[in-house]
Amino acid sequence: DAGITQSPRYKITETGRQVTLMCHQTWSHSYMFWYRQDLGHGLRLIYYSAAADITDKGEVPDGYVVSRSKTENFPLTLESATRSQTSVYFCASSESRGEVAGKTDTQYFGPGTRLTVL
Amino acid sequence: SQQGEEDPQALSIQEGENATMNCSYKTSINNLQWYRQNSGRGLVHLILIRSNEREKHSGRLRVTLDTSKKSSSLLITASRAADTASYFCATLPGGGNKLTFGTGTQLKVEL
Repeated sequence: DAGITQSPRYKITETGRQVTLMCHQTWSHSYMFWYRQDLGHGLRLIYYSAAADITDKGEVPDGYVVSRSKTENFPLTLESATRSQTSVYFCASSESRGEVAGKTDTQYFGPGTRLTVL
Repeated sequence: SQQGEEDPQALSIQEGENATMNCSYKTSINNLQWYRQNSGRGLVHLILIRSNEREKHSGRLRVTLDTSKKSSSLLITASRAADTASYFCATLPGGGNKLTFGTGTQLKVEL
């Protein structure tokens, strides 16, 4: 089915372990984003990507690594998970940043991954 | 830091009433967007208003933008129980490339 999917939906891990959250979109959108959502902070941008092999830091990138070898996939890795990384993680995609050549920067979100680090 | 701040943080109304949420932001913007998030779900885009627009409608939604006051409002008319959700404004700063979300308004529509 077309859209944006995330896996796993729920994950429990331990401090110090490596965890990878997957994101896949079927629209061939150029831009993809990772956010974390915490009470009192709203959504905060972790990393984003403008195209395959192009990534850039957001507001809270420390402790996270991303890659984008294919347009449709944008995995997020926590190299050594910490309790402060317990959160709900959302992946999103958009055609563009700003409205360029008729394209919109409306973002389409996945269902989220609830990560608990013990 | 948050660019957009929604007000109120929480709102409870009866079905059929109108709901108004406000968003204030700090810097000049390219556009402002409103999103809805149902419990346990991802955000869903509702409406986008450009910096040179003052009002926009979509179904039961009405969005206004006052760039002189750096504020926007979202009005949901004739609310339904299904409108119960959190509503977020998001701003794209002028010249910037990062959409920044506020902390949201939790709307509860009671039968």
